[in-house]
Amino acid sequence: EAQVTQNPRYLITVTGKKLTVTCSQNMNHEYMSWYRQDPGLGLRQIYYSMNVEVTDKGDVPEGYKVSRKEKRNFPLILESPSPNQTSLYFCASSFSGPGNTIYFGEGSWLTVV
Amino acid sequence: ILNVEQSPQSLHVQEGDSTNFTCSFPSSNFYALHWYRWETAKSPEALFVMTLNGDEKKKGRISATLNTKEGYSYLYIKGSQPEDSATYLCAFRNYGGSQGNLIFGKGTKLSVKP
Repeated sequence: EAQVTQNPRYLITVTGKKLTVTCSQNMNHEYMSWYRQDPGLGLRQIYYSMNVEVTDKGDVPEGYKVSRKEKRNFPLILESPSPNQTSLYFCASSFSGPGNTIYFGEGSWLTVV
Repeated sequence: ILNVEQSPQSLHVQEGDSTNFTCSFPSSNFYALHWYRWETAKSPEALFVMTLNGDEKKKGRISATLNTKEGYSYLYIKGSQPEDSATYLCAFRNYGGSQGNLIFGKGTKLSVKP
């Protein structure tokens, strides 16, 4: 089954404790991306990757890192999480090109206390 | 900063009503316009991807139109049902240095009463 898988789905962590949210897709997509969703602000793009070893900042990259060492994986790294990074995070992927559907993972609820 | 606006913010209709909402986006450097249906606690579900001016797409009772020259897209739902209740998101991709940059509107929240 074609899917985008995120882990963990739910996490409560403490300020400053490094964490990684993994994202994996099994559709051989070139494009992958991370978003955060906050009340009243909609979905905002954090980082995206057009292919292996190619990453670029979205609209809200501060406090986050990503890597794209393999095509299927695009982890989101919070080196020193802070409470303002408490949010719902979505990973997404698609084939390159404008007309391709972008598929979303099920979301990861992250709380930083 | 590129901006995508959706209106109305929320909409309450009765079962059987037809409804429509608007997505406005920058008219320059258009690459693609996406529509998603999003239910709380689930992942956004793709409805349409539109790339050509004048595009019209249909999926069951839901359809969408696209005007890239004036920078808007309409989503129509014919004969709304309670299961159509969700937030409808549009997202814009521009052609240029940031083709991967997908900018979402804040969505239109639709509630359909039986």
